Amino acid sequence: EAQVTQNPRYLITVTGKKLTVTCSQNMNHEYMSWYRQDPGLGLRQIYYSMNVEVTDKGDVPEGYKVSRKEKRNFPLILESPSPNQTSLYFCASSLDTTYGYTFGSGTRLTVV
Amino acid sequence: QKEVEQDPGPLSVPEGAIVSLNCTYSNSAFQYFMWYRQYSRKGPELLMYTYSSGNKEDGRFTAQVDKSSKYISLFIRDSQPSDSATYLCAVTGTASKLTFGTGTRLQVTL
Repeated sequence: EAQVTQNPRYLITVTGKKLTVTCSQNMNHEYMSWYRQDPGLGLRQIYYSMNVEVTDKGDVPEGYKVSRKEKRNFPLILESPSPNQTSLYFCASSLDTTYGYTFGSGTRLTVV
Repeated sequence: QKEVEQDPGPLSVPEGAIVSLNCTYSNSAFQYFMWYRQYSRKGPELLMYTYSSGNKEDGRFTAQVDKSSKYISLFIRDSQPSDSATYLCAVTGTASKLTFGTGTRLQVTL
């Protein structure tokens, strides 16, 4: 089944403790992206990647890191999480973004 | 001004009603327009995709784009309780970046 898989689905952590949210897609898509979704603000792009080793900032990149060492994987790294990063995170992939993204099921992160 | 504006709702309609969901956008460079549906605790799923001005129909769903007024709409005919979800419009003009509206929450009641 073609899909984008994120892990974990739920995560509660403490301020400052480094964490990684994994994302993997099995569709051989070149484009991958991370979004965060907050009430009243909608989906905002954090980082995106156009191919292996090619990444760029989205609208809200502060406090996040990404890497794209393999085509299928695009992990999101929070080096020192803060409470304002409490949010619902989505990974997405696309063969051609003018046709839209396929989204994962989301990771609900709470930073206390 | 936000690049994409969408009324957050919530919108409550009785089963069988016609639903109209709308977005406006500010940048004329946007050329591709999408509607996503998001059920509670799920990721957004692509519902409709359009490129040009005009209408596109898929079953009970019709997407409409008016580039001259920068206005996009989604119509749902014969709405069902299973249509209850949040509907997000999305626009793009360049590779990689999809800009979303904030979403409209729709509730279809029996």
